Amino acid sequence: DGGITQSPKYLFRKEGQNVTLSCEQNLNHDAMYWYRQDPGQGLRLIYYSQIVNDFQKGDIAEGYSVSREKKESFPLTVTSAQKNPTAFYLCASSIDLTGQGSFGPGTRLTVL
Amino acid sequence: AQKVTQAQTEISVVEKEDVTLDCVYETRDTTYYLFWYKQPPSGELVFLIRRNSFDEQNEISGRYSWNFQKSTSSFNFTITASQVVDSAVYFCALKTSYDKVIFGPGTSLSVIP
Repeated sequence: DGGITQSPKYLFRKEGQNVTLSCEQNLNHDAMYWYRQDPGQGLRLIYYSQIVNDFQKGDIAEGYSVSREKKESFPLTVTSAQKNPTAFYLCASSIDLTGQGSFGPGTRLTVL
Repeated sequence: AQKVTQAQTEISVVEKEDVTLDCVYETRDTTYYLFWYKQPPSGELVFLIRRNSFDEQNEISGRYSWNFQKSTSSFNFTITASQVVDSAVYFCALKTSYDKVIFGPGTSLSVIP
């Protein structure tokens, strides 16, 4: 079945450590996105990528980094520079930037 | 600037009641797309509908219906005969040309049996 997978579902990290969240899609979509969701709030865009080896900052890119070496994969690294990383992270993909987007199940990151 | 407003933070209805979720958007672009997503307690966003700015036809899909009115910049979502499984957070979103998707803050719907 086509879809987006994110792993792990729950992630715990000690303060000061970098952590990488995985996002893989087999939908053959060109565009991929990372969003952050805080309790009771909407989604805010962290980074997005239109094609392989290209990505742009979203609204809240500080403290995050991404790579897009393969069409299927768009991992997100939460660095120690991100001051408040505890949140729910959602990965999405779409055929292009006009598409509605398919979302993964999300990763809930907790910093201890 | 682009913006999406969902004025209703939380709504509670009794099962079988109809409920309308409001969405008001702002954009200066003439070409744009509007979306509704459902986020159940599991967390994954489920796509419900996409509407482009040139198609003002209202749409009905089972118990769901959408009312798009460019004159008032609104894209409201109605659930008829609500069910407990409709309990979720619903997000309205706006996308202009090749820009990023902007989400509203969401409306939390609780359907009480």
